[in-house]
Amino acid sequence: TQLLEQSPQFLSIQEGENLTVYCNSSSVFSSLQWYRQEPGEGPVLLVTVVTGGEVKKLKRLTFQFGDARKDSSLHITAAQTGDTGLYLCAGANPGTYKYIFGTGTRLKVLA
Amino acid sequence: NAGVMQNPRHLVRRRGQEARLRCSPMKGHSHVYWYRQLPEEGLKFMVYLQKENIIDESGMPKERFSAEFPKEGPSILRIQQVVRGDSAAYFCASSLWDSNQPQHFGDGTRLSIL
Repeated sequence: TQLLEQSPQFLSIQEGENLTVYCNSSSVFSSLQWYRQEPGEGPVLLVTVVTGGEVKKLKRLTFQFGDARKDSSLHITAAQTGDTGLYLCAGANPGTYKYIFGTGTRLKVLA
Repeated sequence: NAGVMQNPRHLVRRRGQEARLRCSPMKGHSHVYWYRQLPEEGLKFMVYLQKENIIDESGMPKERFSAEFPKEGPSILRIQQVVRGDSAAYFCASSLWDSNQPQHFGDGTRLSIL
């Protein structure tokens, strides 16, 4: 059974700080998605990474896909209170459509 | 949320009743996926459908659960004779013509069983 482990599970930081969250697996994925989910809402797609070693930037967010396509990281620079939420990674297997979701990192940014 | 519409947003049922959850995919999307999320957990795949076809239902319980995506109208996730353990948030996602396209999620239906 493929698993995606996210760490840390919970993170509480002050506004302006930097942070990195991780998404790790022993399995290879053809693509990896990062979502952010707010209470009472569905996950919102932030980025898709498909190539080993790929780095994508979305304003203050930097996403990296590991060289072996087994892991990924999300780095947030100068966190803002609006970054608060549940960050989920989801891996897609080669040639399939089922997303394997991690259990998420719950981020709280304090003013 | 990203154009995927789910209704109702909240559904309360008594044990033994039926629950029907609806999902209209984003315009132009022909692939629909259903996921279930328990509190403090990630999303678990249930079923993948294209129009009039169930492609993969390996994540869906064999009994009481069924799903359809008719030629016309929304996709329906149906739970018969609900039990307390069915209480969860049920999310629908859709993707473009190719199942390798990223999935976009609706805001979910929160099902509560009394």
